[in-house]
Amino acid sequence: EIVLTQSPGTLSLSPGERATLSCRASQSVIGSYLAWYQQKPGQAPRLLIYGASTRATGIPDRFSGSGSGTDFTLTISRLEPEDFAVYYCQQYDTSPLAFGGGTKVEIK
Amino acid sequence: QVQLQESGPGLVKPSQTLSLTCSVSGGSITSGNHDWTWIRQPAGKGLEWIGRIHTTGSTNSNPSLKGRVIVSRDTSQNQFSLSLTSVTAADTAVYYCARRTRGYPYDIWGQGTMVTVSS
Repeated sequence: EIVLTQSPGTLSLSPGERATLSCRASQSVIGSYLAWYQQKPGQAPRLLIYGASTRATGIPDRFSGSGSGTDFTLTISRLEPEDFAVYYCQQYDTSPLAFGGGTKVEIK
Repeated sequence: QVQLQESGPGLVKPSQTLSLTCSVSGGSITSGNHDWTWIRQPAGKGLEWIGRIHTTGSTNSNPSLKGRVIVSRDTSQNQFSLSLTSVTAADTAVYYCARRTRGYPYDIWGQGTMVTVSS
């Protein structure tokens, strides 16, 4: 079973700042089958990035993903007010399709 | 446009079976190469993958749930279901149904349904 560890747990930033979120896998994620989701209170998660670096339909280009193997990063280039939320990574290569524990991006 | 909607009891007693249904509209659960999946989230915590049923009818579930999970489907109703046996308070969570295409992550989610395990 692949375990995903996200860091930091909480990121306190101001609108306009850059956010860098990390996701580390306990073993290599084959094919970079790594996704990022955004979740706001009371809502289902929303797919942002798949294949480690491909933006999902309708996702603004301030969101970007990178990485391979065991280390992956989600970058939000300039935080907009609507970007303050919790972000989860997920590997969808090997069952069970585990999620990371999440990073909360909060307003400083 | 495929849409998913969860339904089921909001309160289940300890040791009983939690049963939820996901109704699918805008597409057939027997078409394509999709995993129809259950995912849950305890209040204030992260997401846990529970189990899935593929378009072909094959299933698998998270070993961490120790064989308590059955994912099934009713093709005549275009629904799939979750049964979680021997529930405890630790099973209290928002339960989501979701769909992915094989080789891709979850792009379609239901709104989620809250289930509380309590006597």
